[in-house]
Amino acid sequence: GQNIDQPTEMTATEGAIVQINCTYQTSGFNGLFWYQQHAGEAPTFLSYNVLDGLEEKGRFSSFLSRSKGYSYLLLKELQMKDSASYLCAVGNMLTFGGGTRLMVKP
Amino acid sequence: KAGVTQTPRYLIKTRGQQVTLSCSPISGHRSVSWYQQTPGQGLQFLFEYFSETQRNKGNFPGRFSGRQFSNSRSEMNVSTLELGDSALYLCASSLALAGLGDTQYFGPGTRLTVL
Repeated sequence: GQNIDQPTEMTATEGAIVQINCTYQTSGFNGLFWYQQHAGEAPTFLSYNVLDGLEEKGRFSSFLSRSKGYSYLLLKELQMKDSASYLCAVGNMLTFGGGTRLMVKP
Repeated sequence: KAGVTQTPRYLIKTRGQQVTLSCSPISGHRSVSWYQQTPGQGLQFLFEYFSETQRNKGNFPGRFSGRQFSNSRSEMNVSTLELGDSALYLCASSLALAGLGDTQYFGPGTRLTVL
């Protein structure tokens, strides 16, 4: 089976850096995805990690450690528009975590 | 390139009825996956179709079914609706099988309310 854990909520200040963690247990691993979902909208793709290490894409970076079953999403220079839910997903049938609702305050 | 489209966007049904939702993937994408999203359970995988064949199925009862046509468009059907089926139903398309690491692109969803 598959199990994914993420913090439910996080709060951060505009301009700051925030790290959203994701731990997983899966019987089959084909990479880990991060998606962003604004309230009332569909999820949009942010990043994909299949090898250990850090993938950087502008203000967003994602890290993966397969041996530890651990990933994090790093958001730098936070903006108000980054307030959203962040979902990590793994597995052959793409199991999603419950999502982390990030609130960015001025 | 047009994105993933879903129809209808909103639907109200009563218990015991059945419903059919439609999804048109991005042009060229052959995989369509369906998800149910509720506040309590989050985003849960229903099934994935690729080349008109169901490739993966989540842990949902047989009342939930789907199919894919030769043009990759997909429909999902829910029979004998229950109150607990009220949810946002999202479909996502990808070039290849989603579970093999291919990026999925989501449609706007169909909001189903069961009264």
